[in-house]
Amino acid sequence: SQTIHQWPATLVQPVGSPLSLECTVEGTSNPNLYWYRQAAGRGLQLLFYSVGIGQISSEVPQNLSASRPQDRQFILSSKKLLLSDSGFYLCARGLAVFNEQFFGPGTRLTVL
Amino acid sequence: GDSVTQMEGPVTLSEEAFLTINCTYTATGYPSLFWYVQYPGEGLQLLLKATKADDKGSNKGFEATYRKETTSFHLEKGSVQVSDSAVYFCALSGSSGGSYIPTFGRGTSLIVHP
Repeated sequence: SQTIHQWPATLVQPVGSPLSLECTVEGTSNPNLYWYRQAAGRGLQLLFYSVGIGQISSEVPQNLSASRPQDRQFILSSKKLLLSDSGFYLCARGLAVFNEQFFGPGTRLTVL
Repeated sequence: GDSVTQMEGPVTLSEEAFLTINCTYTATGYPSLFWYVQYPGEGLQLLLKATKADDKGSNKGFEATYRKETTSFHLEKGSVQVSDSAVYFCALSGSSGGSYIPTFGRGTSLIVHP
């Protein structure tokens, strides 16, 4: 099966606090993994992708970072959250050949 | 670079009406094309796909045909239901060999009234 777990499901954090969002993938090895953000009323913004352990590519300069400590684990972090970091964060994996995206359930982050 | 343009929303329809959501793309090579659907509070789900010119993807009554000559992949459904209310995203991937980065449109919100 192809299952993606994301936690927490929702999070409310004060400005300036740290962040750690976790994504784990079942049912496959060496997946391509992605972090997206959806701001309220806007489309998807690709933040990071990874093609293997320790390999991270960043798509936009920002207050966030990503790490891949294990094959099926992808972590999104921040040392100090900004108000503009609020949004819906989605983890996804790319499926073979055509790279269609399989998404997790998402984490709703509100920074106050 | 690659890009996907889809019609602005929201699209508001009555139940059983015909739906069209336009999508056009710009890409090098021969990308695969996708429609994803996002229900409120959830992640995106693949709705349908087409991987080469003239292919028709279909699922749950939705259809889209890969038109290379017009670089389009319009989403259609003959009779929408209230349960189809969601945000629909057009996307492409794999336009150049080894590319890992998909390209998404901005999404079109569909609201279906009873």
